[in-house]
Amino acid sequence: GIQVEQSPPDLILQEGANSTLRCNFSDSVNNLQWFHQNPWGQLINLFYIPSGTKQNGRLSATTVATERYSLLYISSSQTTDSGVYFCAVDPDMEYGNKLVFGAGTILRVKS
Amino acid sequence: DTEVTQTPKHLVMGMTNKKSLKCEQHMGHRAMYWYKQKAKKPPELMFVYSYEKLSINESVPSRFSPECPNSSLLNLHLHALQPEDSALYLCASSQDPRAGANVLTFGAGSRLTVL
Repeated sequence: GIQVEQSPPDLILQEGANSTLRCNFSDSVNNLQWFHQNPWGQLINLFYIPSGTKQNGRLSATTVATERYSLLYISSSQTTDSGVYFCAVDPDMEYGNKLVFGAGTILRVKS
Repeated sequence: DTEVTQTPKHLVMGMTNKKSLKCEQHMGHRAMYWYKQKAKKPPELMFVYSYEKLSINESVPSRFSPECPNSSLLNLHLHALQPEDSALYLCASSQDPRAGANVLTFGAGSRLTVL
């Protein structure tokens, strides 16, 4: 099956710093989403981005489908950004509803 | 209403008990999902319902029994579980399983402990 690798596995930032999280995947995908899981377990969808670039406030994401990677940028980080960031992909070219999650990046933002 | 609601938030059960987890959404979504997440691991897909029919079962043991009574409700019936089944169980929904942009909305999860 498809392999999803996220890096770095852990990241500690000082409040206000910027960061880049990476997701590599082993096959073509029809669906790629970035999620943030807060310390209480709630998963929040950040971006649906199988290709191209999107921005939402301090967050932006870019997926280069031909090179099989996606990047999540966090600017001016805040303590509330702490948690686990997951990349999830589905190679199903027809429907895309069988998401496979990467291992995640644990982000800790210190004040 | 843009929420997926899961109940109960916490459940403790013995290995001989029968219990159920419930998931509800009122966004008109036609696909619903159960994921299992062990501590410090990513979520793993268990089941997918598409238009109230089971479309994906990821070889889940029969002690987990899903049910989709209508397009808004998804249940997970639990029977004769093992301590290793202790985990966070996440429900999700998406708008149209036949559409390409299948964006998942997750509930807050039900944290299950099997004694």
